[in-house]
Amino acid sequence: DQQVKQNSPSLSVQEGRISILNCDYTNSMFDYFLWYKKYPAEGPTFLISISSIKDKNEDGRFTVFLNKSAKHLSLHIVPSQPGDSAVYFCAASGASNYQLIWGAGTKLIIKP
Amino acid sequence: DTAVSQTPKYLVTQMGNDKSIKCEQNLGHDTMYWYKQDSKKFLKIMFSYNNKELIINETVPNRFSPKSPDKAHLNLHINSLELGDSAVYFCASTPPGQYNSPLHFGNGTRLTVT
Repeated sequence: DQQVKQNSPSLSVQEGRISILNCDYTNSMFDYFLWYKKYPAEGPTFLISISSIKDKNEDGRFTVFLNKSAKHLSLHIVPSQPGDSAVYFCAASGASNYQLIWGAGTKLIIKP
Repeated sequence: DTAVSQTPKYLVTQMGNDKSIKCEQNLGHDTMYWYKQDSKKFLKIMFSYNNKELIINETVPNRFSPKSPDKAHLNLHINSLELGDSAVYFCASTPPGQYNSPLHFGNGTRLTVT
């Protein structure tokens, strides 16, 4: 039973355009959401997060949007750069880091 | 100046063996974790540990055991290795007293059981 779903295993975007990565969740008790980025042979690194009391959080080229009614969040990267090519994981939390539930990841490929 | 370091990076061993993976963090964090990334690429928590509490995911076989000699180290011991244990194992840590603070991960240990 996947509580956090990233339905697109991969996404290819032209350099300079917007990348939109999507994530859906089923548990309405989740109140904190995070995006991590992972390069091959490295561990995930934290990118951006959002609390359920907000619907948008922005950090430079990265913006996360949260739609609680739809149980959906998305990560926007604009403009996309070659270094953004990586696997992006969505994660959702209820009460603590121990209860962090992860999606399977979306591989983002930025084409030159 | 690696923040969370794991050794070895690759581990190939035979079924039935006992092995350990070491993890060290120099961030001053007080909570450490072990995650398993399975063949479907999902990251699943195995253990969460600080100096007060060990939380074990009940789905983890008791062949797996965390050992923490001090706050900066959390090693993973695996007894009687099975083919299904083949995966990438990640160590992670978080700072004290911060609700839902982001995890800092090591670079993973790819375990292959033959």
